[in-house]
Amino acid sequence: DAKTTQPPSMDCAEGRAANLPCNHSTISGNEYVYWYRQIHSQGPQYIIHGLKNNETNEMASLIITEDRKSSTLILPHATLRDTAVYYCIVRPRSYNTDKLIFGTGTRLQVFP
Amino acid sequence: DAMVIQNPRYQVTQFGKPVTLSCSQTLNHNVMYWYQQKSSQAPKLLFHYYDKDFNNEADTPDNFQSRRPNTSFCFLDIRSPGLGDAAMYLCATSRGTSPGVPEAFFGQGTRLTVV
Repeated sequence: DAKTTQPPSMDCAEGRAANLPCNHSTISGNEYVYWYRQIHSQGPQYIIHGLKNNETNEMASLIITEDRKSSTLILPHATLRDTAVYYCIVRPRSYNTDKLIFGTGTRLQVFP
Repeated sequence: DAMVIQNPRYQVTQFGKPVTLSCSQTLNHNVMYWYQQKSSQAPKLLFHYYDKDFNNEADTPDNFQSRRPNTSFCFLDIRSPGLGDAAMYLCATSRGTSPGVPEAFFGQGTRLTVV
């Protein structure tokens, strides 16, 4: 499975956009990019995923570069409740290798 | 409504005394995962079931076993807990059908303390 690299921590002011980068330079053609987050003492929560096109849902936007070697998760208007560890994961779509492996993640602190 | 339920939320066990953690799901998902998460670390995959097929991670100690008697339930058995096994244990499920790989749903976890 492709590895991911994320900054260990980031800060963001409440109400501003939070842009969380992820490097996955060894991603292969059959691997999706997934983002999860984990709020303190809770189980991880799915945010969004994509293959090569940019994606948007009610929680966030995902921008994937054309060469697919990096991506950015965007929280358009960060709130204090968005303080969490954000994990970028690449995951194959093969039937027999349905594993979800977490990297070290980015700890996002949203401040007032 | 909770879709992946882990019981109990907190478990205290004695050093060396077998302990079982349970997970149930109402999603009818094919895949169930068990993760171990120690303080300030990312979740670490221990094993997962794809239907009845058990998939162990290479570095999961033999002390950790799992059972999946039916689609809805999965158990994590720790045969002889050591102090180093104190952690949050997370259960997750996903549909696991191709094409594409759907999202995974996590339970709230069981925090295990070994005394």
